[in-house]
Amino acid sequence: DGGITQSPKYLFRKEGQNVTLSCEQNLNHDAMYWYRQDPGQGLRLIYYSQIVNDFQKGDIAEGYSVSREKKESFPLTVTSAQKNPTAFYLCASTAGSSYEQYFGPGTRLTVT
Amino acid sequence: GEDVEQSLFLSVREGDSSVINCTYTDSSSTYLYWYKQEPGAGLQLLTYIFSNMDMKQDQRLTVLLNKKDKHLSLRIADTQTGDSAIYFCAESPYGGSQGNLIFGKGTKLSVKP
Repeated sequence: DGGITQSPKYLFRKEGQNVTLSCEQNLNHDAMYWYRQDPGQGLRLIYYSQIVNDFQKGDIAEGYSVSREKKESFPLTVTSAQKNPTAFYLCASTAGSSYEQYFGPGTRLTVT
Repeated sequence: GEDVEQSLFLSVREGDSSVINCTYTDSSSTYLYWYKQEPGAGLQLLTYIFSNMDMKQDQRLTVLLNKKDKHLSLRIADTQTGDSAIYFCAESPYGGSQGNLIFGKGTKLSVKP
């Protein structure tokens, strides 16, 4: 089945630890995105990448880092510098010639 | 900057039509989108409309776009309990050149039997 996978679905970490969220797609999409969702809020863009080995900061990139070494993978690291890391994180992707953006199932990160 | 506004809640009875409204600010938006999110899940792309269109219909869904007023609406005909979810409106800023979307805060649709 083609799609976007995010793992794990739930993640728990202690404050001060870095944590990496996985996002993989087998849709052969060029562009990938990370959004953050807080309760009662819309999605806010963290980082995006339109091609391999290149990525740009979104609106709330502080405290996060990404890499794009392979077309199908776009992992997000939530660093200890992120002041309020507890949130629902959504990965998305888009084919280069399309405006249809598809989302993964999300990872709920809880930091205590 | 870009901003997308939606009402936060809508309650309807099963079988009625639901209309979810959205206003946006970026006049260069190329596409406007409606997504559905069920509890604990990712976003499901329902439909989208190109900015040079006024209306798009897809089965029970009708999207209306008033570009002059920057107003977008989603009508769900014969609303079912399975339609209960949060519906997000989104626009593609910068004419879609960067690909990222700007989302509203979502409208929670409750369908009563």
